[in-house]
Amino acid sequence: AQKITQTQPGMFVQEKEAVTLDCTYDTSDQSYGLFWYKQPSSGEMIFLIYQGSYDEQNATEGRYSLNFQKARKSANLVISASQLGDSAMYFCAILISSGSARQLTFGSGTQLTVLP
Amino acid sequence: NAGVTQTPKFRILKIGQSMTLQCTQDMNHNYMYWYRQDPGMGLKLIYYSVGAGITDKGEVPNGYNVSRSTTEDFPLRLELAAPSQTSVYFCASSYSRQGAGNTEAFFGQGTRLTVV
Repeated sequence: AQKITQTQPGMFVQEKEAVTLDCTYDTSDQSYGLFWYKQPSSGEMIFLIYQGSYDEQNATEGRYSLNFQKARKSANLVISASQLGDSAMYFCAILISSGSARQLTFGSGTQLTVLP
Repeated sequence: NAGVTQTPKFRILKIGQSMTLQCTQDMNHNYMYWYRQDPGMGLKLIYYSVGAGITDKGEVPNGYNVSRSTTEDFPLRLELAAPSQTSVYFCASSYSRQGAGNTEAFFGQGTRLTVV
Protein backbone atom coordinates (compact mmCIF):
# COMPACT_ATOMS: atom_id res chain seq x y z
CA ALA A 1 0.00 0.00 0.00
CA GLN A 2 1.18 3.50 -0.68
CA LYS A 3 2.15 5.78 2.14
CA ILE A 4 2.42 9.53 2.29
CA THR A 5 4.25 11.48 4.98
CA GLN A 6 4.16 15.11 6.03
CA THR A 7 6.74 15.63 8.76
CA GLN A 8 5.91 19.25 9.68
CA PRO A 9 2.85 19.43 11.94
CA GLY A 10 3.10 23.23 12.01
CA MET A 11 4.95 25.95 10.11
CA PHE A 12 5.21 29.70 10.49
CA VAL A 13 6.12 32.14 7.74
CA GLN A 14 6.33 35.90 7.57
CA GLU A 15 3.92 37.61 5.18
CA LYS A 16 5.39 38.07 1.67
CA GLU A 17 8.05 35.41 2.22
CA ALA A 18 8.18 32.00 0.54
CA VAL A 19 7.58 28.75 2.42
CA THR A 20 8.13 25.09 1.57
CA LEU A 21 5.86 22.36 2.91
CA ASP A 22 7.39 18.91 2.83
CA CYS A 23 5.80 15.74 1.48
CA THR A 24 7.38 12.35 0.88
CA TYR A 25 5.71 9.25 -0.45
CA ASP A 26 6.36 5.56 -0.68
CA THR A 27 5.09 3.50 -3.58
CA SER A 28 6.48 0.84 -5.88
CA ASP A 29 4.07 1.80 -8.66
CA GLN A 30 5.38 3.73 -11.64
CA SER A 31 2.17 5.56 -12.47
CA TYR A 32 0.75 7.88 -9.83
CA GLY A 33 -0.42 11.40 -9.21
CA LEU A 34 0.41 13.78 -6.40
CA PHE A 35 -1.98 16.44 -5.16
CA TRP A 36 -1.93 19.29 -2.69
CA TYR A 37 -5.04 20.56 -0.96
CA LYS A 38 -5.69 23.49 1.35
CA GLN A 39 -8.19 23.31 4.19
CA PRO A 40 -8.98 26.67 5.81
CA SER A 41 -10.61 26.90 9.20
CA SER A 42 -14.01 26.84 7.50
CA GLY A 43 -13.36 23.20 6.67
CA GLU A 44 -13.71 22.90 2.90
CA MET A 45 -11.06 21.11 0.85
CA ILE A 46 -9.56 23.31 -1.87
CA PHE A 47 -7.47 21.77 -4.65
CA LEU A 48 -4.18 23.59 -5.25
CA ILE A 49 -1.89 21.70 -7.61
CA TYR A 50 -1.29 18.34 -9.31
CA GLN A 51 1.86 16.52 -10.46
CA GLY A 52 1.82 13.33 -12.51
CA SER A 53 4.61 10.83 -12.05
CA TYR A 54 5.54 11.04 -15.73
CA ASP A 55 5.48 14.83 -15.87
CA GLU A 56 8.99 16.04 -16.58
CA GLN A 57 8.44 19.60 -15.46
CA ASN A 58 7.44 20.74 -12.00
CA ALA A 59 3.82 21.84 -11.80
CA THR A 60 3.03 25.50 -11.14
CA GLU A 61 -0.26 27.24 -10.41
CA GLY A 62 0.06 30.93 -9.69
CA ARG A 63 1.91 31.32 -6.38
CA TYR A 64 2.01 27.56 -5.88
CA SER A 65 4.70 25.30 -7.30
CA LEU A 66 5.48 21.68 -6.67
CA ASN A 67 9.12 20.69 -6.23
CA PHE A 68 8.95 17.13 -7.57
CA GLN A 69 12.01 14.97 -6.98
CA LYS A 70 11.05 11.53 -8.22
CA ALA A 71 14.21 9.70 -7.20
CA ARG A 72 13.85 10.99 -3.64
CA LYS A 73 10.07 10.40 -3.70
CA SER A 74 9.34 13.90 -2.54
CA ALA A 75 6.71 16.39 -3.70
CA ASN A 76 7.17 19.56 -1.69
CA LEU A 77 4.77 22.49 -2.06
CA VAL A 78 6.32 25.93 -2.41
CA ILE A 79 4.15 28.96 -1.72
CA SER A 80 5.71 32.20 -2.87
CA ALA A 81 4.87 35.64 -1.49
CA SER A 82 2.79 34.31 1.40
CA GLN A 83 -0.45 36.08 2.24
CA LEU A 84 -2.43 36.13 5.46
CA GLY A 85 -5.15 34.17 3.67
CA ASP A 86 -2.71 31.30 3.15
CA SER A 87 -3.02 30.39 6.82
CA ALA A 88 -4.64 26.96 6.72
CA MET A 89 -4.00 23.23 6.93
CA TYR A 90 -2.26 21.81 3.87
CA PHE A 91 -2.55 18.17 2.80
CA CYS A 92 -0.48 16.19 0.36
CA ALA A 93 -2.15 13.19 -1.33
CA ILE A 94 -1.20 10.39 -3.70
CA LEU A 95 -3.33 8.47 -6.20
CA ILE A 96 -1.93 5.32 -7.72
CA SER A 97 -2.98 4.84 -11.34
CA SER A 98 -1.87 1.27 -12.04
CA GLY A 99 -3.49 -2.01 -11.14
CA SER A 100 -7.05 -2.27 -9.87
CA ALA A 101 -6.71 -0.20 -6.69
CA ARG A 102 -7.38 3.51 -6.89
CA GLN A 103 -6.93 4.73 -3.37
CA LEU A 104 -6.43 8.46 -2.92
CA THR A 105 -4.39 8.61 0.27
CA PHE A 106 -3.74 11.76 2.28
CA GLY A 107 -0.90 12.74 4.58
CA SER A 108 -1.48 14.01 8.12
CA GLY A 109 -1.24 17.65 7.10
CA THR A 110 0.79 20.76 7.94
CA GLN A 111 -0.77 23.72 9.71
CA LEU A 112 0.63 26.88 8.11
CA THR A 113 0.39 30.19 9.92
CA VAL A 114 1.30 33.38 8.07
CA LEU A 115 2.46 36.15 10.38
CA PRO A 116 1.82 39.84 9.60
CA ASN B 1 -23.01 22.62 -11.76
CA ALA B 2 -23.57 21.54 -8.18
CA GLY B 3 -20.37 19.45 -7.98
CA VAL B 4 -20.37 17.09 -4.99
CA THR B 5 -23.35 17.41 -2.67
CA GLN B 6 -23.45 15.84 0.78
CA THR B 7 -26.44 15.65 3.06
CA PRO B 8 -26.98 16.24 5.90
CA LYS B 9 -24.48 18.90 6.95
CA PHE B 10 -24.88 18.14 10.65
CA ARG B 11 -26.30 15.20 12.56
CA ILE B 12 -26.43 13.99 16.13
CA LEU B 13 -26.97 10.27 16.62
CA LYS B 14 -27.52 8.20 19.71
CA ILE B 15 -25.32 5.16 20.31
CA GLY B 16 -26.69 2.19 18.39
CA GLN B 17 -28.72 4.21 15.89
CA SER B 18 -28.13 3.90 12.18
CA MET B 19 -28.05 6.47 9.42
CA THR B 20 -27.05 7.02 5.82
CA LEU B 21 -24.87 9.88 4.67
CA GLN B 22 -25.83 10.84 1.16
CA CYS B 23 -23.36 11.84 -1.55
CA THR B 24 -24.21 12.84 -5.11
CA GLN B 25 -22.05 14.21 -7.88
CA ASP B 26 -23.17 15.59 -11.22
CA MET B 27 -19.82 15.60 -13.02
CA ASN B 28 -20.02 12.03 -14.36
CA HIS B 29 -16.94 11.11 -12.35
CA ASN B 30 -16.04 7.45 -12.17
CA TYR B 31 -14.14 7.53 -8.86
CA MET B 32 -15.83 8.33 -5.58
CA TYR B 33 -14.46 8.30 -2.05
CA TRP B 34 -15.56 8.57 1.56
CA TYR B 35 -13.20 9.96 4.18
CA ARG B 36 -13.43 10.76 7.84
CA GLN B 37 -11.49 13.53 9.50
CA ASP B 38 -11.08 13.56 13.26
CA PRO B 39 -10.29 16.90 14.96
CA GLY B 40 -6.81 18.17 14.07
CA MET B 41 -6.06 15.10 11.97
CA GLY B 42 -5.77 14.17 8.33
CA LEU B 43 -8.29 12.40 6.14
CA LYS B 44 -8.63 8.65 6.47
CA LEU B 45 -10.15 6.68 3.60
CA ILE B 46 -13.19 4.63 4.58
CA TYR B 47 -14.38 3.24 1.24
CA TYR B 48 -13.95 4.07 -2.40
CA SER B 49 -15.48 3.14 -5.74
CA VAL B 50 -14.01 3.11 -9.23
CA GLY B 51 -17.39 2.87 -10.94
CA ALA B 52 -21.01 1.82 -10.59
CA GLY B 53 -21.29 -1.58 -8.95
CA ILE B 54 -17.69 -1.60 -7.72
CA THR B 55 -16.64 -0.70 -4.17
CA ASP B 56 -13.56 -1.41 -2.12
CA LYS B 57 -12.38 -0.92 1.44
CA GLY B 58 -10.03 1.83 2.43
CA GLU B 59 -7.97 2.26 5.57
CA VAL B 60 -10.81 2.39 8.16
CA PRO B 61 -13.88 0.52 6.82
CA ASN B 62 -15.09 -1.12 10.05
CA GLY B 63 -18.53 0.04 11.11
CA TYR B 64 -19.43 1.36 7.66
CA ASN B 65 -20.96 0.12 4.45
CA VAL B 66 -21.33 1.63 0.99
CA SER B 67 -23.05 0.96 -2.28
CA ARG B 68 -22.66 2.39 -5.78
CA SER B 69 -25.73 1.53 -7.81
CA THR B 70 -25.35 4.57 -10.08
CA THR B 71 -22.46 6.73 -11.24
CA GLU B 72 -23.90 9.73 -9.41
CA ASP B 73 -24.61 8.36 -5.93
CA PHE B 74 -22.34 6.88 -3.28
CA PRO B 75 -24.13 6.65 0.09
CA LEU B 76 -22.29 5.74 3.30
CA ARG B 77 -24.18 3.67 5.85
CA LEU B 78 -23.50 3.55 9.60
CA GLU B 79 -25.36 0.57 11.07
CA LEU B 80 -24.69 0.78 14.82
CA ALA B 81 -23.34 4.21 15.65
CA ALA B 82 -20.57 4.38 18.23
CA PRO B 83 -18.90 7.42 19.89
CA SER B 84 -15.70 6.55 17.99
CA GLN B 85 -17.54 7.45 14.79
CA THR B 86 -17.88 11.08 15.85
CA SER B 87 -16.07 12.87 13.06
CA VAL B 88 -16.42 15.02 9.96
CA TYR B 89 -17.17 12.95 6.88
CA PHE B 90 -16.16 14.02 3.40
CA CYS B 91 -17.28 12.60 0.11
CA ALA B 92 -15.14 13.23 -2.97
CA SER B 93 -15.15 12.35 -6.63
CA SER B 94 -12.63 12.41 -9.46
CA TYR B 95 -12.32 11.34 -13.06
CA SER B 96 -9.67 9.03 -14.40
CA ARG B 97 -8.99 8.05 -17.98
CA GLN B 98 -6.72 5.10 -18.61
CA GLY B 99 -3.32 6.38 -19.63
CA ALA B 100 -4.47 9.98 -19.56
CA GLY B 101 -4.04 10.90 -15.94
CA ASN B 102 -6.47 11.97 -13.30
CA THR B 103 -8.44 15.05 -12.44
CA GLU B 104 -8.19 16.36 -8.95
CA ALA B 105 -10.70 15.09 -6.41
CA PHE B 106 -13.64 17.42 -5.84
CA PHE B 107 -14.95 17.42 -2.29
CA GLY B 108 -18.33 17.92 -0.75
CA GLN B 109 -18.76 20.37 2.11
CA GLY B 110 -18.63 17.64 4.74
CA THR B 111 -21.03 16.17 7.28
CA ARG B 112 -20.33 16.80 10.94
CA LEU B 113 -21.54 13.74 12.85
CA THR B 114 -21.71 13.48 16.62
CA VAL B 115 -22.57 10.20 18.33
CA VAL B 116 -23.71 10.56 21.95
